[in-house]
Amino acid sequence: QKEVEQDPGPLSVPEGAIVSLNCTYSNSAFQYFMWYRQYSRKGPELLMYTYSSGNKEDGRFTAQVDKSSKYISLFIRDSQPSDSATYLCATEEGFQKLVFGTGTRLLVSP
Amino acid sequence: GAVVSQHPSWVICKSGTSVKIECRSLDFQATTMFWYRQFPKQSLMLMATSNEGSKATYEQGVEKDKFLINHASLTLSTLTVTSAHPEDSSFYICSASLAGETYEQYFGPGTRLTVT
Repeated sequence: QKEVEQDPGPLSVPEGAIVSLNCTYSNSAFQYFMWYRQYSRKGPELLMYTYSSGNKEDGRFTAQVDKSSKYISLFIRDSQPSDSATYLCATEEGFQKLVFGTGTRLLVSP
Repeated sequence: GAVVSQHPSWVICKSGTSVKIECRSLDFQATTMFWYRQFPKQSLMLMATSNEGSKATYEQGVEKDKFLINHASLTLSTLTVTSAHPEDSSFYICSASLAGETYEQYFGPGTRLTVT
């Protein structure tokens, strides 16, 4: 079983839609959860991070962690074509060691 | 702030040769740098962690003699792929973290290596 599971997609939505991206993880000891955005042939860019359970909002983005079900989500409101990218969830396995999901490719059509 | 660069952005080399990739933190001092490898449609896999002035710590299954990592200064780490083979063709990405930060890593733009 992979430590972090993520549906690879692609997920296609029309502009303006609400997007829900999800990951599950296996180790209940994980505390930090991150979402990265990666454009094609570029390095990942940190979007948001959360600690333990709860929600965190930043503009159009909301990150949600449910530790009881080991489920993490990223919601994007009013999606834009510029949001088209691969979104990677990640968690911190040990000191500074990040474990990534495979990424979900999002396509937002105008 | 917190910009990481990589050079080259892409490289093609012949099988059996070695290639060096540089990773630089441009506007901060990185006590720790990380090297990842990403195959098409797969996730980033951590290869090794390096601290300035120390030997790198390699992940299980990564050959330390094949992937030589040097972190000689707080702003520069290098990855040398020695005796490269076609199966080493991949996207190599480095990241750097600020002192004391555990979860926040700043990633470089990546280097695409093709071994022919």
